[in-house]
Amino acid sequence: DAGITQSPRHKVTETGTPVTLRCHQTENHRYMYWYRQDPGHGLRLIHYSYGVKDTDKGEVSDGYSVSRSKTEDFLLTLESATSSQTSVYFCAISEHSYEQYFGPGTRLTVT
Amino acid sequence: AQSVTQLDSQVPVFEEAPVELRCNYSSSVSVYLFWYVQYPNQGLQLLLKYLSGSTLVKGINGFEAEFNKSQTSFHLRKPSVHISDTAEYFCAVRIQGEGGKLIFGQGTELSVKP
Repeated sequence: DAGITQSPRHKVTETGTPVTLRCHQTENHRYMYWYRQDPGHGLRLIHYSYGVKDTDKGEVSDGYSVSRSKTEDFLLTLESATSSQTSVYFCAISEHSYEQYFGPGTRLTVT
Repeated sequence: AQSVTQLDSQVPVFEEAPVELRCNYSSSVSVYLFWYVQYPNQGLQLLLKYLSGSTLVKGINGFEAEFNKSQTSFHLRKPSVHISDTAEYFCAVRIQGEGGKLIFGQGTELSVKP
């Protein structure tokens, strides 16, 4: 299995609070991605990174920001969490932008 | 815009029966195609991929898929399923030239019954 960890694995937070999710890889892959998974929608891309400090938006980026200051870490921040952001969040990595390898996921509940 | 449609949201099947999970995509350019499997409470695992070459690709756990360019399909098949194949399966297409972004289908829940 690709060396990808996500933290925390579970989080419950209140509406309006900031939340940061962390993705850490030990594979030295160039590309990193954040997805959210919701029933009936499959996985939808939030943001992605193609190198340190190089990031771009995905299809559902509103309300989210990301940062990548080191190759191994990709952070996803919800500036002010809303109930619509309750979801399971997956990080993925890719070396040559072909197949992606996924982390175990973070289940986030916003009350 | 590229999109992926998985034609069945749920597929119930008996153990040792064959199964086909259907996937169609829309794209005006060449694509790379993938199938992923997700077991309960886990991340996604790559089953197989089509990048180029032979249109019949084989993956892990006895699954295979056939790329059909004229029908823009990439259906997943297994000749004999096991209880352990119960999972959700996702078809995905890679967008060219955009950092390898994947577009996923909505998922097909395969339920294998004894």
